[in-house]
Amino acid sequence: GAGVSQTPSNKVTEKGKYVELRCDPISGHTALYWYRQSLGQGPEFLIYFQGTGAADDSGLPNDRFFAVRPEGSVSTLKIQRTERGDSAVYLCASSHGTDTQYFGPGTRLTVL
Amino acid sequence: GQQLNQSPQSMFIQEGEDVSMNCTSSSIFNTWLWYKQDPGEGPVLLIALYKAGELTSNGRLTAQFGITRKDSFLNISASIPSDVGIYFCAGLTTSGTYKYIFGTGTRLKVLA
Repeated sequence: GAGVSQTPSNKVTEKGKYVELRCDPISGHTALYWYRQSLGQGPEFLIYFQGTGAADDSGLPNDRFFAVRPEGSVSTLKIQRTERGDSAVYLCASSHGTDTQYFGPGTRLTVL
Repeated sequence: GQQLNQSPQSMFIQEGEDVSMNCTSSSIFNTWLWYKQDPGEGPVLLIALYKAGELTSNGRLTAQFGITRKDSFLNISASIPSDVGIYFCAGLTTSGTYKYIFGTGTRLKVLA
């Protein structure tokens, strides 16, 4: 596709459930980033992939959060035992190396 | 997570007026970016700055990379209704990984 796509666009789940959020980066982009954006805030860094490996996962809030990028393209952000505080918009961005990041539209996660 | 300080937090201006906003950090950055985010969308890059003291324009937008490398400014001239949105600054860390730290955002509303 022409841009970064994220699915689903909206996800409503119950406290304690497991969720997966998907990101399809721009074709050929080697770097992929996940951010979390709470209401009224700027995006907060979660994790950065260079190829298949996580180059920096220092922004993941705790061990309930995990992300993979097995083939160096699509990435999945996984959240276990969701909590109400996990409710936010999860943004994905990709770039060619360290060049400009291009963002997807985000997945709005609501934990009831 | 860490966020940069942006001011003002929000602005209401008349169409045709000029707008100024700034972003400050306690840390030094090698790159400053300015993004605009519309509701339900991911941030879109407006201007990138790569060198201390650099002044760069993109149409009606002008941004500057502060000499101290700890701040940046964005100016919008002759505002129009479609300038409405949230503007975020972002700084690229120098800690060895390519991680962007975002500001808290400036919400701009333009009155026709």
